[in-house]
Amino acid sequence: EVLLQQSGPELVKPGASVKIPCKASGYTFTDYNMDWVKQSHGKSLEWIGDISPNIGATIYNQKFKGKATLTVDKSSSTAYMELRSLTSEDTAVYYCARRGYDGYLFAYWGQGTLVTVSA
Amino acid sequence: DIQMTQSPSSLSASLGERVSLTCRASQEISGYLSWLQQKPDGTIKRLIYAASTLDSGVPKRFSGSRSGSDYSLTISSLESEDFADYYCLQYASYPTFGGGTKLEIK
Repeated sequence: EVLLQQSGPELVKPGASVKIPCKASGYTFTDYNMDWVKQSHGKSLEWIGDISPNIGATIYNQKFKGKATLTVDKSSSTAYMELRSLTSEDTAVYYCARRGYDGYLFAYWGQGTLVTVSA
Repeated sequence: DIQMTQSPSSLSASLGERVSLTCRASQEISGYLSWLQQKPDGTIKRLIYAASTLDSGVPKRFSGSRSGSDYSLTISSLESEDFADYYCLQYASYPTFGGGTKLEIK
């Protein structure tokens, strides 16, 4: 069974950074790209970017360039998203997601990590 | 960017009722569309991909269709667990989502 396990809520101060993990299990981690999605409270979803765990190649939504950095640790089958220079606009739930065996995007989702930016 | 205009933004319906949600793409997306369901606890599940292919384990009361640039999700007979938020998603270019439909019980 494919599982994407995300960490608990984070409370961070404005201007700080946070690194959110997404631990994958139930499949070969390097075989599938990992995508990240933002959902601000009461709003829709935004695609942040994706990373190829095999080679570390990344693609970002232009809106999140400079804000988000995607990395992986192949030894622990964990994808990470680091958000920097946080402001109140970054308060949101962040999801990791993987495409399906059918090849289509967003078949499997983590449970989301709430990041709250507040002094 | 490809914009996805989803309607309605909210919908009240009764158990057993048939409902349809629609997304219109601002550009040709050639059927590269999925429908997602989000429950109140935040859990997200993909229901349909490639516009009309049902994901494994998704009840057959859900169906997807396309008419030109309009894509629809239909639930043939609402059950209690169907009351949730629904989003369309295109992936013809970098992924973008519709604004969502909140499906509430009447």
